Amino acid sequence: QSVLTQPPSASGTPGQSVTISCSGSRSNIGSNTVNWYQQLPGTAPKLLIYSNDQRPSGVPDRFSGSKSGTSASLAISGLQSEDEADYSCAAWDDRLNVVFGGGTKLTVL
Amino acid sequence: QVQLQESGPGLVKPSQTLSLTCTVSGGSISSGDFYWSWIRQPPGKGLEWIGYIFHSGTTSYNPSLKSRVTISVDTSKNQFSLRVRSVAAADTAVYYCGRNLDIVTTIDWGQGTLVTVSS
Repeated sequence: QSVLTQPPSASGTPGQSVTISCSGSRSNIGSNTVNWYQQLPGTAPKLLIYSNDQRPSGVPDRFSGSKSGTSASLAISGLQSEDEADYSCAAWDDRLNVVFGGGTKLTVL
Repeated sequence: QVQLQESGPGLVKPSQTLSLTCTVSGGSISSGDFYWSWIRQPPGKGLEWIGYIFHSGTTSYNPSLKSRVTISVDTSKNQFSLRVRSVAAADTAVYYCGRNLDIVTTIDWGQGTLVTVSS
């Protein structure tokens, strides 16, 4: 069971917007920044968002992140078929550990 | 462009030691303020942080694995390594090595290697 809680699945049609949530506690999301990783089928994760809302070079601005209190969200606008992947959140936990969410499988219908 | 490649046995017997090496190319482990990390993913499950090492040799481990894990670095070979002692079936996973900007932010990943614990 993962420390950060994500919905196991999400879906949308091309062009739509979808939001994926990540719920934690005061010791992790509540006091530290959140990263998001995208994992295409059969591949290694890729950094998508860091420090709550920052995009690495090369990540489209269709992807955005936010944080409020002990929860964080990843929003994807203008959904495309190539966005079909697993998305995981991550944060430092003050109990001296990096914690991840269980991952959300995004299906583009 | 930094690239990382994991190597090691794909099958380990229960109670034995899992050993993996990550070879870094396109950049030096000794340069820059990067952390070098290991993360694993059991089949069908989420990611789990194992730990990191700094080029100076400073390490930090997941408290749940700390008693069984050692991460070391060989700057002369531009490699860092993972050892997990007394493995069990629950240690079966794809193991990734990574280059981190900070403890949480993995900017470059290896392709991953599946290690199965089975007799």
